[in-house]
Amino acid sequence: KAGVTQTPRYLIKTRGQQVTLSCSPISGHRSVSWYQQTPGQGLQFLFEYFSETQRNKGNFPGRFSGRQFSNSRSEMNVSTLELGDSALYLCASSLGLAEPTDTQYFGPGTRLTVL
Amino acid sequence: GQQLNQSPQSMFIQEGEDVSMNCTSSSIFNTWLWYKQDPGEGPVLLIALYKAGELTSNGRLTAQFGITRKDSFLNISASIPSDVGIYFCAGRMGRRALTFGSGTRLQVQP
Repeated sequence: KAGVTQTPRYLIKTRGQQVTLSCSPISGHRSVSWYQQTPGQGLQFLFEYFSETQRNKGNFPGRFSGRQFSNSRSEMNVSTLELGDSALYLCASSLGLAEPTDTQYFGPGTRLTVL
Repeated sequence: GQQLNQSPQSMFIQEGEDVSMNCTSSSIFNTWLWYKQDPGEGPVLLIALYKAGELTSNGRLTAQFGITRKDSFLNISASIPSDVGIYFCAGRMGRRALTFGSGTRLQVQP
């Protein structure tokens, strides 16, 4: 079974631009969660999508948004990029069940650098 | 929000030594997970724990779900150079998002 895939793997943008990152979950997984990882703040939860609906949201400004398609693939968008948005953006997929045994599996991440 | 305290922050050990790291939380979880992350890659799941008191092994790795549901530890026995990386604990309650510890950076001297 293929794992979680993320594209692109690396991205360089300048301040003020916007960016879209893509995540394809493991086949059969309906939940996609996005995380931002920085050296200073560690791994922080952005949002979760399940069945094309945002189900959970972290504490990030509205410049960070996402969506999920009917095939469970997800995209996240960051508008008006700031230097502090430079980070590794990780997506994780799971079945999306409430059961404790429903585990999240991570993709390799997209390394975003904002200049 | 919830905080996970993970310790130690870093460890430098000799090959063959055993390693222990732990996480404590201010809130209870019903799932504890341990991940390993290599530079530039996403975290890889090592061990998942679903029940208070549960002790689970995966090869040289052993992890336990604390009886209070507020802590977990990970042991690595007979470390080898490929154990190098950052180890993260993560807790989850219901359908809430994972809460991650700050990571333990492990370096192994051959």
